[in-house]
Amino acid sequence: GENVEQHPSTLSVQEGDSAVIKCTYSDSASNYFPWYKQELGKGPQLIIDIRSNVGEKKDQRIAVTLNKTAKHFSLHITETQPEDSAVYFCAAKEAGTALIFGKGTTLSVSS
Amino acid sequence: KAGVTQTPRYLIKTRGQQVTLSCSPISGHRSVSWYQQTPGQGLQFLFEYFSETQRNKGNFPGRFSGRQFSNSRSEMNVSTLELGDSALYLCASSVGPGTNYGYTFGSGTRLTVV
Repeated sequence: GENVEQHPSTLSVQEGDSAVIKCTYSDSASNYFPWYKQELGKGPQLIIDIRSNVGEKKDQRIAVTLNKTAKHFSLHITETQPEDSAVYFCAAKEAGTALIFGKGTTLSVSS
Repeated sequence: KAGVTQTPRYLIKTRGQQVTLSCSPISGHRSVSWYQQTPGQGLQFLFEYFSETQRNKGNFPGRFSGRQFSNSRSEMNVSTLELGDSALYLCASSVGPGTNYGYTFGSGTRLTVV
């Protein structure tokens, strides 16, 4: 089955800096890669996703890149703000299979 | 529209007891997945239901079970509770398992086993 590795486990940046979180997956058949943000006391919330026929996707300050050959994908947050502080999860799946998550990255943005 | 509703929000049980958690998906979503979240382990997949049938199953012991009703609402049950079952249990709904669209999560049920 699918296995997703996520790094780093913790990340501290200054407000205004960029943050990058990286994930690798094992199943070459996976073709959907979402990213979730979880704030304290809440369930994970989808912030951006990418499908295997696309190499990069942007949404304002957030971007995701995918390298299918290397089986890794990354989340990029630019101009970080204190409200970006949360736990971020990457995930991977193929249609018909379960959505498998990485272990998460705790991002702290200090002002 | 209403989001994913999980009840109860908090639960305290004693070792050896059993517990049932409930999840109501977003209207129109027919697939419900359950995850266990513990510190350091991230979200571990329990099972996924679609049209009242279990479609995928994670690597958890048989004490963990679930079901889905005709209205897509789902329940999960844990029997003979152990201290290690203390966790946040999250439910997520999606259109269906054959599609690749984002899952929408509920706020979870925090289970504490004492």
